[in-house]
Amino acid sequence: DVKVTQSSRYLVKRTGEKVFLECVQDMDHENMFWYRQDPGLGLRLIYFSYDVKMKEKGDIPEGYSVSREKKERFSLILESASTNQTSMYLCASSFRSASYNEQFFGPGTRLTVL
Amino acid sequence: DQQVKQNSPSLSVQEGRISILNCDYTNSMFDYFLWYKKYPAEGPTFLISISSIKDKNEDGRFTVFLNKSAKHLSLHIVPSQPGDSAVYFCAAGDAGNMLTFGGGTRLMVKP
Repeated sequence: DVKVTQSSRYLVKRTGEKVFLECVQDMDHENMFWYRQDPGLGLRLIYFSYDVKMKEKGDIPEGYSVSREKKERFSLILESASTNQTSMYLCASSFRSASYNEQFFGPGTRLTVL
Repeated sequence: DQQVKQNSPSLSVQEGRISILNCDYTNSMFDYFLWYKKYPAEGPTFLISISSIKDKNEDGRFTVFLNKSAKHLSLHIVPSQPGDSAVYFCAAGDAGNMLTFGGGTRLMVKP
């Protein structure tokens, strides 16, 4: 059974704290993605990675950074958390191919920044 | 500006009837479309997809229709069941492995 796991389901942090969200997939996928989900806005892409040590900015990268040191692991970092980063964070992965492959999602991390 | 829009934030349907969820897009470069379903406290799961060379794809109770000239797609669920109650996202992709998602429609199927 394919699996994408995220390190925490719920997280509460204070403004200014550094926050690490970790995602691990066991499907040997090349591509990994970080999204945030907000009501009415759907899923917005923060960053994605198509290979180890490679990263590309998505639609809303400001205030975030990422790290991909191993193929199966993709970390999202909030250098200095702010209240407007309170959201549901979703990690996804997929094969890299010339045609389309579905993205597989983790269960999400609900982050609250106080 | 959102390139993929789901204009109905919610939809309520009686069990056994048809549910129709709609999605509009603006980018004519999109050539592949997917629907995902999301339950609370879970990640989205893939439901059904369609490429731009087709106008219909069917999988059991789920059918996706694509009207390229209108830049519109719809998901039909028939018959609707209470377990179908969830948030549905449409997503569109172009040449590449990235997807653009709509804002989602919350479907409630009443017993």
